[in-house]
Parts: sequence; structure tokens; C-alpha cells
Amino acid sequence: SQLAEENSWALSVHEGESVTVNCSYKTSITALQWYRQKSGKGPAQLILIRSNEREKRNGRLRATLDTSSQSSSLSITATRCEDTAVYFCATTYAQGLTFGLGTRVSVFP
Amino acid sequence: EAAVTQSPRNKVAVTGGKVTLSCNQTNNHNNMYWYRQDTGHGLRLIHYSYGAGSTEKGDIPDGYKASRPSQENFSLILELATPSQTSVYFCASGDAGPLYFGAGTRLSVL
Repeated sequence: SQLAEENSWALSVHEGESVTVNCSYKTSITALQWYRQKSGKGPAQLILIRSNEREKRNGRLRATLDTSSQSSSLSITATRCEDTAVYFCATTYAQGLTFGLGTRVSVFP
Repeated sequence: EAAVTQSPRNKVAVTGGKVTLSCNQTNNHNNMYWYRQDTGHGLRLIHYSYGAGSTEKGDIPDGYKASRPSQENFSLILELATPSQTSVYFCASGDAGPLYFGAGTRLSVL
């Protein structure tokens, strides 16, 4: 079973709106990472948030981490069509990173 | 800019044949990884390496071998390819931080 998993398969928004992807994880962590994968490409890291951080920002992206509920969220504000992608959360375990199944975010004009 | 290059980008193989997927990184990372990505399963770790000469089994190593002849190169080997190994394979490198992924190899085993 997945050690980390996103809570939605797919989300759709219109350009300019905000969207939030949620993730839950099953083990204690030192950090959680968010990745984005565009069609035909490999995943690319967006944000790394450490266990002693509650919030991290990167431009229009904001990640939160709640270690008590073992959950994280990634919010994208002022979405653009190019934000269309699959978004993964990932946690570190003994052998490397384990990824959730991903949430497909579609941004429409 | 961290760079991970995979070859080939696409491969069609016959059942029972040998397939080698290659990966090269210019990041000088010690750690390298091979994942496969399938609908409904996400990214699953096949093999990884801590440095030249080392290979370790990941979560789904059966039917795969790996080779790390140098810091820069990490290969995934399917000695006897089967249709169940049809997938998209990603190589990544990274040390204690983000993983940098290649663009993937789409493998079809007929």
C-alpha cells in the first residue's frame, strides 16, 4: 500500500481560480515533497517542506504540513493553463522516496 | 541545471528478449533510482544505487537487474522481458533533497 497518497483523483478549475491538492501519509517523516508531472515528462519537484515547518511558499504555490494529522496540502493560486499536470506528494523512507498515486489537475481557459 | 538523460526514449521488445535501459546524470549525485510508472500504481521503485559499483533492490525488483558502472551511469536490465513489464520507466538522481528525473523510456513488450 502507498505510504503517501493524494485524496483526489482529479480536479478541474478555470484559469485564475485556486486549487488545492491534499495528501495524507502513514509514517513519521522528516520531510514531504510535492512534485508535478506534465504530460510526457518526468516528475519535477515543486516544494520540500520539513517536519518542523508548517508552511512553505514558492511563488504561486503554498504547501502546508500538519504532522499531527499526517497530512499536507498544496495550493496553487491564480492558476494558468500550463499548471495542468499530475501532482504528487512524496515522503522519504528507508529506500528513497515513495510517491502517492497523484492528482490530475486540469486548468481550463 | 541538474540533468538526467535516459535512452532510448521508446523501445519495442519481444517477449523473452533482453532489454537494457540506460541513464546518465551530470549532477554528481551519489544516489540513482529506477522507477516504473503504471496507471493505478503510480511510481514504484525497482532498483537504486548509492554509488558506483552498488545496486540495491527496491520494492518491485523481480525480473529486473541493475548496473552502476560509474557515478554517472545507471542501467536497468530486463534479461527475459515479459508483457507485464510494458510500462514507462524513469531514472532519477538525488542526494538528501529533490530527485531529478529523466524524461522516461516507454517500453512495450510484445
